[in-house]
Amino acid sequence: GQQVMQIPQYQHVQEGEDFTTYCNSSTTLSNIQWYKQRPGGHPVFLIQLVKSGEVKKQKRLTFQFGEAKKNSSLHITATQTTDVGTYFCAGDSIQGAQKLVFGQGTRLTINP
Amino acid sequence: NAGVTQTPKFRILKIGQSMTLQCTQDMNHNYMYWYRQDPGMGLKLIYYSVGAGITDKGEVPNGYNVSRSTTEDFPLRLELAAPSQTSVYFCASSLSRMAAGYEQYFGPGTRLTVT
Repeated sequence: GQQVMQIPQYQHVQEGEDFTTYCNSSTTLSNIQWYKQRPGGHPVFLIQLVKSGEVKKQKRLTFQFGEAKKNSSLHITATQTTDVGTYFCAGDSIQGAQKLVFGQGTRLTINP
Repeated sequence: NAGVTQTPKFRILKIGQSMTLQCTQDMNHNYMYWYRQDPGMGLKLIYYSVGAGITDKGEVPNGYNVSRSTTEDFPLRLELAAPSQTSVYFCASSLSRMAAGYEQYFGPGTRLTVT
């Protein structure tokens, strides 16, 4: 079945440093979504990418969808303590199964 | 709107007991989902529903059952609880599967321990 893998599993940075997490799918995706989960909280939707090569920005966050629609990345510029949490990507296979497959997440911790 | 609500927030079960996790959404969403999240892990889909009366298995359905009699409610039933079902359970909903409206809204979760 479809698999979505994220690296790294953990990332610890100094406040102000940049952070990137990568997401790779075993199958071509129709779209990819990114979620953030604060410690002890529930996942919260950040963004959805649909088009091949798409790049979207939200303030200090930059999201990219690969040309082949099998990978994606999230880059945070100049991290702040409010960025702490686990970032998940979730992909919907182009074969269509009406459900998202989540990566295992990248847990970001920040030294203030 | 309250969004997606789940009850209870916490529960401890003995092995072999049964329980129902409740999930309600007030956004008139067609799609609803149940996930489990084990410590330090991602979300695994248990069951999902694309509308009232329609349910389907996800990645890890064994030991669980669901029903969807109304648009708003999507309860998850655990029969014969086992320690392997210790997890945090999240219910989620989305409007549709079209690009606009596919984002999932999650409830606060139910933390379940089976001992």
